[in-house]
Amino acid sequence: GAVVSQHPSRVICKSGTSVKIECRSLDFQATTMFWYRQFPKQSLMLMATSNEGSKATYEQGVEKDKFLINHASLTLSTLTVTSAHPEDSSFYICSALQDWGETQYFGPGTRLLVL
Amino acid sequence: TQLLEQSPQFLSIQEGENLTVYCNSSSVFSSLQWYRQEPGEGPVLLVTVVTGGEVKKLKRLTFQFGDARKDSSLHITAAQPGDTGLYLCAGIRGSNYKLTFGKGTLLTVNP
Repeated sequence: GAVVSQHPSRVICKSGTSVKIECRSLDFQATTMFWYRQFPKQSLMLMATSNEGSKATYEQGVEKDKFLINHASLTLSTLTVTSAHPEDSSFYICSALQDWGETQYFGPGTRLLVL
Repeated sequence: TQLLEQSPQFLSIQEGENLTVYCNSSSVFSSLQWYRQEPGEGPVLLVTVVTGGEVKKLKRLTFQFGDARKDSSLHITAAQPGDTGLYLCAGIRGSNYKLTFGKGTLLTVNP
């Protein structure tokens, strides 16, 4: 149990386009999900907290208009990177918090490459 | 300032050796988690420690949570090449369940 999926696993796009990444909790409900960004050989950096039915909470320094988050259901959160630029290339990872506990379960990540 | 100081950042050892990774903070955590991550994949939870002084064992891995719940350690006995990966500690402080990650320890076990 407690499986989180992400789609796509890998995406290449042109500079200036927008990219949507989906995060799904497959067998449990998650009112809260988190989005992280990770650069090579570095740790995870929290970008935002996604709350079902309400606005996301962004960490300091993360542009909310650039990284749009929608948590429309108890099992799905999406992150849209708008007007992507090469510096947005990174590994994006989501996690889902079980509604009845403290444990976050992580997705497999999405590798974004902006050309 | 890094809230969770993890050390060492890089570790390269031979198969069969023992190692310890440390995670230290000046803040108290309600719980602390250890993850292992392989390249191109998401982190996988190894253990959660919640009680000060707690020790948990997972085969050759031993996890300790400090008495004051400010620090933790991961000890691996007789490391194997399959243990190679990025080890991350992460703590929860408040009620919002946000994880604060250490910088990670990149472990390479050479055969």
